[in-house]
Amino acid sequence: DIQMTQSPSSLSASVGDRVTITCRASQSIRNCLNWYQQKPGKAPKLLIYAASSLQSGVPSRFSGSASGTDFTLTISSLQREDFATYYCQQSYSNPETFGQGTKVEIK
Amino acid sequence: QVQLQESGPGLVKPSETLSLTCSVSGDSISSYHWAWIRQPPGKGLEWIGNLYYTGNTKYNPSLKSRVTTSVDPSKNQFSLRLSSVTAADTAVYYCARLFTYYDSSGYISDWGQGALVTVSS
Repeated sequence: DIQMTQSPSSLSASVGDRVTITCRASQSIRNCLNWYQQKPGKAPKLLIYAASSLQSGVPSRFSGSASGTDFTLTISSLQREDFATYYCQQSYSNPETFGQGTKVEIK
Repeated sequence: QVQLQESGPGLVKPSETLSLTCSVSGDSISSYHWAWIRQPPGKGLEWIGNLYYTGNTKYNPSLKSRVTTSVDPSKNQFSLRLSSVTAADTAVYYCARLFTYYDSSGYISDWGQGALVTVSS
């Protein structure tokens, strides 16, 4: 199975901060990497697909990038509504696997 | 805007079969791919499997021997059955719509609200 290692597992940040979350794949997954946001008691919401494509309706402060097997989700200016848990997912290889999540909390 | 709604028993006894149905509204089920994902309480997400509109399926090997899925176009529904359940199968189960961008790889664009299924005697 391809392991997806997310870092950090949690972070504290302030409104307006630039936030970066990283996901490292244990082997090549091409660009088959998606990012989701989940708030407590809610279903996840797609933010980024294919490593860097912004899902329709998602604010442009969210962006994704890739370098080899390292993938990054960046929030350019954290807003109050962005406090949530973020998951990466690789869909390149069976089984599709998710990272363990990064919880973004208010500082 | 597509909407998905999971339904089924919230409590299943150990060794029995978990059955969930996902009702789709706002779009034809025959035109898209679909997926099941689960999340144990307080834990991360686990992919269960994909159902492609071609009729093909792809399942998590760790669950494959126990998973059965089906699609009912007449009702615009798709279903999940998971046999021989244990407490480890207790989770919120999500049905979802899948879009592909590379072969069978893709992303989940729309999610149901989730259904908590508890395995307990």
